[in-house]
Formats: sequence, C-alpha cells, structure tokens
Amino acid sequence: SQQGEEDPQALSIQEGENATMNCSYKTSINNLQWYRQNSGRGLVHLILIRSNEREKHSGRLRVTLDTSKKSSSLLITASRAADTASYFCATDGYTDKLIFGTGTRLQVFP
Amino acid sequence: KAGVTQTPRYLIKTRGQQVTLSCSPISGHRSVSWYQQTPGQGLQFLFEYFSETQRNKGNFPGRFSGRQFSNSRSEMNVSTLELGDSALYLCASSRTSGTMETQYFGPGTRLLVL
Repeated sequence: SQQGEEDPQALSIQEGENATMNCSYKTSINNLQWYRQNSGRGLVHLILIRSNEREKHSGRLRVTLDTSKKSSSLLITASRAADTASYFCATDGYTDKLIFGTGTRLQVFP
Repeated sequence: KAGVTQTPRYLIKTRGQQVTLSCSPISGHRSVSWYQQTPGQGLQFLFEYFSETQRNKGNFPGRFSGRQFSNSRSEMNVSTLELGDSALYLCASSRTSGTMETQYFGPGTRLLVL
C-alpha cells in the first residue's frame, strides 16, 4: 500500500504560472523527498526535506512540510513547458525503505 | 560520471517464463534498490541490496528475487511470469543504504508479459 497520496492527480497550467502539488502521508517520517518522472522514464530526485525542517528551497522549487498534518507541498514557480512531468513524493515511514505516493501529472502549456 | 544503466530496456515474455533484469549502479554506489511501477499500483518497492546483502524487502511473492555482485551490479529475477507482472521495473543506486541518501534512478526496463 502507498504511504503518500498526491493531490491533485492532474494539473494543467500555462507557462509562467506557478504549480502547487500536495502530498499527504500516513505514518511518522524521518524525511520526505520529491521526485520527477518524465513520461514513463526513470525518476529524478528534486529535493529532500527532513522531519525537523519546515521549508526548503532549490531554484524554482519550494517545499514545505507540516508534520502535524502529515502533509507536504511542492511549489514550482514560473513554470516552463519542460516542467511537464509526473511528480511523486516519497517517505520513509520510519523504515529503511522509500514509499512513493500516487503522483501528480503536471502539464505546462507553452 | 555515468548514470545508472539498466538492461534490457524492453522485454516481451509469455506467461510461465522467467526473466532476469540487470542494473549497473553509478560508480562508487554500493546500494541498489528495485521498484515496480504499474498504472494500477504505482511505484512499489521490491528490495534493496547493499554490499551483496539484501537489506530490505517489499511485499512481493517469492517469485521475485534479486542479487548483488561484488562490483555492486545487481540483477533481479522473476520466475513463472504472470500477466500482472507487466510493468516498468526501475532500479536506483545510492552511495550507501538508508533513506536519507539521494537515490539515482535508471531509465527502467519495460516488461510486457503476454
């Protein structure tokens, strides 16, 4: 069973707009990670946020973590067509293995 | 540095056959994890190998097995294939074991079982 669920399942926006994706998870975690997957290929690691962190930035990405609500959000600012991909959150659920969420499919139109 | 490579990229098998997939991690990485991705179940963890030992295992039947060699290359084997085994199989490597490590994924092997 999956630990995380992303919301929305799919998101379509215009280039230049911001995209926000949310992830909810079930159990306590040590860290939460976000990955991107282009069209059925391998995943690319975007960012890792530890359970004692509340916010983290990397370029146009901003991730927040609210452990009291067991949720995280990924914000992509000034989106580009190249950002079109599926985005997954992954948590460790206090174990040694990553458990991936269901993913959000992001479509950015030029 | 070369990335994670997986062979073959595509594979077609029939029910009842067995298959072996290969994964070469990034040079210097000692941990290799395997995932199965299907439209219905999403990304599911199969197992992780570190220094030739299986460290973690997901909830898959014994038909799914793996191993790791001394050069960190890993193989996974699926015996007695079923239609439901059709999936994208992804491997990921990291420097060491543990979920605090960034995992680097290969492009995957797409398996179709007829």
